Amino acid sequence: ETAVFQTPNYHVTQVGNEVSFNCKQTLGHDTMYWYKQDSKKLLKIMFSYNNKQLIVNETVPRRFSPQSSDKAHLNLRIKSVEPEDSAVYLCASSHRGINTGQLYFGEGSKLTVL
Amino acid sequence: GDSVTQTEGLVTLTEGLPVMLNCTYQTIYSNPFLFWYVQHLNESPRLLLKSFTDNKRTEHQGFHATLHKSSSSFHLQKSSAQLSDSALYYCALNNYAQGLTFGLGTRVSVFP
Repeated sequence: ETAVFQTPNYHVTQVGNEVSFNCKQTLGHDTMYWYKQDSKKLLKIMFSYNNKQLIVNETVPRRFSPQSSDKAHLNLRIKSVEPEDSAVYLCASSHRGINTGQLYFGEGSKLTVL
Repeated sequence: GDSVTQTEGLVTLTEGLPVMLNCTYQTIYSNPFLFWYVQHLNESPRLLLKSFTDNKRTEHQGFHATLHKSSSSFHLQKSSAQLSDSALYYCALNNYAQGLTFGLGTRVSVFP
């Protein structure tokens, strides 16, 4: 049963455009993440967000920015997309504690940059 | 920093044969959490196994793995592969500061 919801699931756009992906989790978790899965299926963390603390992977280009209104929502904005941004963006959530680190993923948002 | 190394590339095998995917890790933490995630075609990764306890076997859906801190390993095994086991498998390590660090993934294809 899906409890991490992402929209849109697919998006095609042109170089230089702005894109936003939305993510909502209904699990009551306190931490949310954005991962990038490229064409080789490499999974790389981009951001994690916990109690208004944002941790950024230093390799993420500055055109990417996370936006959160509360602990159940974490959106991803890409200011000016480039061809190498084509990938699947996976939102995930977790709860610190006994199950520390166990991630629940959304269905993914596949971005194609022409 | 933390890293995970797992069996690379594609593993092909015949249905009914055993499967073993290697996973070793490096971390500064003395009590790491290790995970195996499975991703079927057109789906998102989902948890298969997890472990925090040294030398204790953990099992789920016919798969098993044992965390060995002495060798920094968390190999995934199944005694008899099924067609439905064809998927992408990730070993992952909990980086307490930033979420999970994933290995490169191992694609398993099971043939009749």
